[in-house]
Amino acid sequence: SQKIEQNSEALNIQEGKTATLTCNYTNYSPAYLQWYRQDPGRGPVFLLLIRENEKEKRKERLKVTFDTTLKQSLFHITASQPADSATYLCALNTSGTYKYIFGTGTRLKVLA
Amino acid sequence: EAQVTQNPRYLITVTGKKLTVTCSQNMNHEYMSWYRQDPGLGLRQIYYSMNVEVTDKGDVPEGYKVSRKEKRNFPLILESPSPNQTSLYFCASSLSWRETDTQYFGPGTRLTVL
Repeated sequence: SQKIEQNSEALNIQEGKTATLTCNYTNYSPAYLQWYRQDPGRGPVFLLLIRENEKEKRKERLKVTFDTTLKQSLFHITASQPADSATYLCALNTSGTYKYIFGTGTRLKVLA
Repeated sequence: EAQVTQNPRYLITVTGKKLTVTCSQNMNHEYMSWYRQDPGLGLRQIYYSMNVEVTDKGDVPEGYKVSRKEKRNFPLILESPSPNQTSLYFCASSLSWRETDTQYFGPGTRLTVL
């Protein structure tokens, strides 16, 4: 079955460092992959979308890569700040249907 | 302000008592969806709607019903709630179903079924 996996353990990093989060998928060939941020008790907020023919996408301090051979997307936050502390979710729209599949998310904590 | 609203935000009920969670968006979006979020399981899609009068099942539709009589509203109905439906529920909408259309999420409804 189709599956998305993200690091289930929390990621703690020091302020100013680069945070790298991983999203792996199996039994699927998505044309697009999305990343969302979710704060406790709130709905996810869209951050970035990357297409299969795009190796890398940037937005301010955020960078997403997409490796269709490895079936993996990496999400980077450079010069991380305590305000970046949140849970980050990756999501796919399943090809041939109108459904979305989300990963379980990775909780990031940036230490001051 | 463009937004997705949900009501109620918090609800405690008892097994078997029918309830409805409302969802409304003011962005003229075609695609709307309901998710539940549980620890360790992430966001799972319950039902979605591509447009008025067009709905379909997501990955976990059992025990839920939806309707889409108007473009802006997409209520979630639990005819006979059970404790395993205790969860955090999110409604979301996007311009269409295309993969490039990002979803806008509501603030969530925390449901407890005793």
